[in-house]
Amino acid sequence: GEDVEQSLFLSVREGDSSVINCTYTDSSSTYLYWYKQEPGAGLQLLTYIFSNMDMKQDQRLTVLLNKKDKHLSLRIADTQTGDSAIYFCAESPTTSGTYKYIFGTGTRLKVLA
Amino acid sequence: GAVVSQHPSRVICKSGTSVKIECRSLDFQATTMFWYRQFPKKSLMLMATSNEGSKATYEQGVEKDKFLINHASLTLSTLTVTSAHPEDSSFYICSAGLAGKYEQYFGPGTRLTVT
Repeated sequence: GEDVEQSLFLSVREGDSSVINCTYTDSSSTYLYWYKQEPGAGLQLLTYIFSNMDMKQDQRLTVLLNKKDKHLSLRIADTQTGDSAIYFCAESPTTSGTYKYIFGTGTRLKVLA
Repeated sequence: GAVVSQHPSRVICKSGTSVKIECRSLDFQATTMFWYRQFPKKSLMLMATSNEGSKATYEQGVEKDKFLINHASLTLSTLTVTSAHPEDSSFYICSAGLAGKYEQYFGPGTRLTVT
């Protein structure tokens, strides 16, 4: 199947780190993405990781990839109230032939002041 | 760069009417455009993939006669919801991609409400 799973909710205190997990299914995916969606808005690309990488860091964001387990995580350091949003991981299986994305179920992050 | 716009951002229409949503790539030529639908508090579901100048490829379960997609130029794709019903109310998001590139650039979305 093509199910990309994420936990539905995460609540953290301001200043703490947040870790959002994602399990994907297609090992052919060359790139894996993290998107942020604020209420009523479109998708904002946060970061992406190439499948031959284990880790990628970009300022407060750290992406870890475990290809063996098909597990992807996004760590947000020093989480702020402005980070409250829904976070989607997405895979782009090369087997699809069309570069289409398959999105995860989304994790709603709530940051408590 | 790589900006994608959608118009309108919000539309309310009566049941039985048709509504057209536009998706434009503003500063690049998009060989492929994707249309997604998002139900409240749910993930994005791919509806169809359209390549400029050819017929769209619809995902399983998406009615192509109800959701008409036209990709007439490298900067414009349109989604027409025909004979809309309240169950078609949703958030519709488009994205655009470049030939040979994996990354998609997303529009801000259009909220459709059918009364």
